[in-house]
Amino acid sequence: DIQMTQSPSSVSASVGDRVTITCRASQGISSWLAWYQQKPGKAPKLLIYAASSLQSGVPSRFSGSGSGTDFTLTISSLQPEDFATYYCQQANSFPLLTFGPGTKVDIK
Amino acid sequence: QVTLRESGPALVKPTQTLTLTCTFSGFSLSTSGMCVSWIRQPPGKALEWLALIDWDDDKYYSTSLKTRLTISKDTSKNQVVLTMTNMDPVDTATYYCARIPRIAVAGEGATYAFDIWGQGTMVTVSS
Repeated sequence: DIQMTQSPSSVSASVGDRVTITCRASQGISSWLAWYQQKPGKAPKLLIYAASSLQSGVPSRFSGSGSGTDFTLTISSLQPEDFATYYCQQANSFPLLTFGPGTKVDIK
Repeated sequence: QVTLRESGPALVKPTQTLTLTCTFSGFSLSTSGMCVSWIRQPPGKALEWLALIDWDDDKYYSTSLKTRLTISKDTSKNQVVLTMTNMDPVDTATYYCARIPRIAVAGEGATYAFDIWGQGTMVTVSS
């Protein structure tokens, strides 16, 4: 099975900050990576698929990049509603899917 | 509007079998490229993918849990059912169902991503 790791596990940031989260796959997954945002008590929300494609309705301050084993999610200017936990998920071995352990973005 | 809703018992005893139902609307699971999946999340922990059923009635399971899981669909009722046998306290979690369609990606082919999720249902395993 493909394993996913994320770093950092948590990050403290202020409104307006640029935040970058890294996701690494245990083997190459091409560009088949998605990112999700989850707020407490809520279901995850799809932000980005295929490493860099923005899901409809997601603000453009979110962007994704990477291919192979290393990927990043960037929030260009953190907004109050962006404080949440972010998960990556590989789809290269579809239909066998794997999530990363998550990165919590909280208020500094 | 696409919606999914999970239903099932909030409390099960150890060794019992859990049956969860995902009732959806706004799409057809008969459409080529369409799938529905189950994911769970123990309190304070990460998401864990469990199972997937596709438009062609093919079924796939998490490697670590496949001996305990069964997924099925009733297309006429717009429902997907997950059963998990031999429940244990470590299976206490919020269980989500989610739609996972095939998404065309310009110049790269296609991928799959969970684009719509249910609200989740919390299941506690305790005697």
